Amino acid sequence: ETGVTQSPTHLIKTRGQQVTLRCSSQSGHNTVSWYQQALGQGPQFIFQYYREEENGRGNFPPRFSGLQFPNYSSELNVNALELDDSALYLCASSPGQTSSGNTIYFGEGSWLTVV
Amino acid sequence: SQQGEEDPQALSIQEGENATMNCSYKTSINNLQWYRQNSGRGLVHLILIRSNEREKHSGRLRVTLDTSKKSSSLLITASRAADTASYFCATGTASGTYKYIFGTGTRLKVLA
Repeated sequence: ETGVTQSPTHLIKTRGQQVTLRCSSQSGHNTVSWYQQALGQGPQFIFQYYREEENGRGNFPPRFSGLQFPNYSSELNVNALELDDSALYLCASSPGQTSSGNTIYFGEGSWLTVV
Repeated sequence: SQQGEEDPQALSIQEGENATMNCSYKTSINNLQWYRQNSGRGLVHLILIRSNEREKHSGRLRVTLDTSKKSSSLLITASRAADTASYFCATGTASGTYKYIFGTGTRLKVLA
């Protein structure tokens, strides 16, 4: 158990729709990152939040956005869904900033299928 | 882009044998972490090794890091069927946005 929970576990959306994925981190973990993992690939960094502010972003378009809340929960929002957005979305949390080399702990992920 | 590249891409061994997986990366790193992923599930943290460390152990796991060669290896000794999973290395870099970059993984199958 990593103490990181994600919801929903599976969902199907139609191209063009919007989706919100949720994550609950361990208490005290003030850094949360989101990753996208396509089938057969390694996870790709989407963005990271530290103390409710985005402090790093990967090569993902602005239609991928996020929020982090004071209660150690966070959201990943994706607008205008495309078929290529079909993937496993992973939330990861860590105590302190990852620049300190802290271990990051992953949730079980949310499987998104866009049809 | 993938910074870490695991080798081999797939590995099949008998229970009780040792499994060695390698990871190569391109840029300077702060630390490197190894993760296990069972099919379709989340990533389980195995070991973190910092750039100033050369070797770490955790139970049946041994990780080495050679920063001069930009490579790391994960050794699983006395493998079990339950070790069947995909294994990923993730490099932590302070270049630009601090983030972890994952390789494409090694798919390990341990045959009973």
